[in-house]
Amino acid sequence: QVQLVQSGAEVKKPGSSVKVSCKASGGTFSSYTISWVRQAPGQGLEWMGRIIPILGIANYAQKFQGRVTITADKSTSTAYMELSSLRSEDTAVYYCARVPEEGDPRARVGAFDIWGQGTMVTVSS
Amino acid sequence: DIQMTQSPSSLSASVGDRVTITCRASQSISSYLNWYQQKPGKAPKLLIYAASSLQSGVPSRFSGSGSGTDFTLTISSLQPEDFATYYCQQSYSTSFGQGTRLEIK
Repeated sequence: QVQLVQSGAEVKKPGSSVKVSCKASGGTFSSYTISWVRQAPGQGLEWMGRIIPILGIANYAQKFQGRVTITADKSTSTAYMELSSLRSEDTAVYYCARVPEEGDPRARVGAFDIWGQGTMVTVSS
Repeated sequence: DIQMTQSPSSLSASVGDRVTITCRASQSISSYLNWYQQKPGKAPKLLIYAASSLQSGVPSRFSGSGSGTDFTLTISSLQPEDFATYYCQQSYSTSFGQGTRLEIK
């Protein structure tokens, strides 16, 4: 059974960067897609971007273009999300989530079937 | 960008009630629509994918329907563990609805 385990909570200063990791255990890491979704306190879910590890190709929500970088290390089955130029509005829980491998009916509709436990990022001076 | 609008934003109901939550897309998304349940302090959980397919392990009291722009999530008989926030997600270009908070009456 695939599990996604994220790195621990972070406290950052405005203007700095944060890098959150998401390590997959079980399954074939390269064959599925990893997305990053964030949730500000008391707010809804916001998709940030995704990566297909087997291709190393990432794409991003327009809102975060130029400020977010998503990467993956196949050798350690770990995906990363780095967000730069942090501001207070970036305070949120950041989740990684998996879309299963091609051939799974959930993959066709981009359904997130497995989620990490979330990483709280606090931006404060 | 495709906007997803859920209604209602919040809902009070009792155990045993039948509840319906609606999600409307700003343009047609075929059946590229998924539903999630989220409890406080927890990650979202997939309930329904492709508008109407039940995720493995999810109780059959949950069902989904719709295509194009209008979709519904129905809980046929509310159980105490169902009180949570529900989100729709379109995967045409990936975005979520604003959520529906389901509270105990």
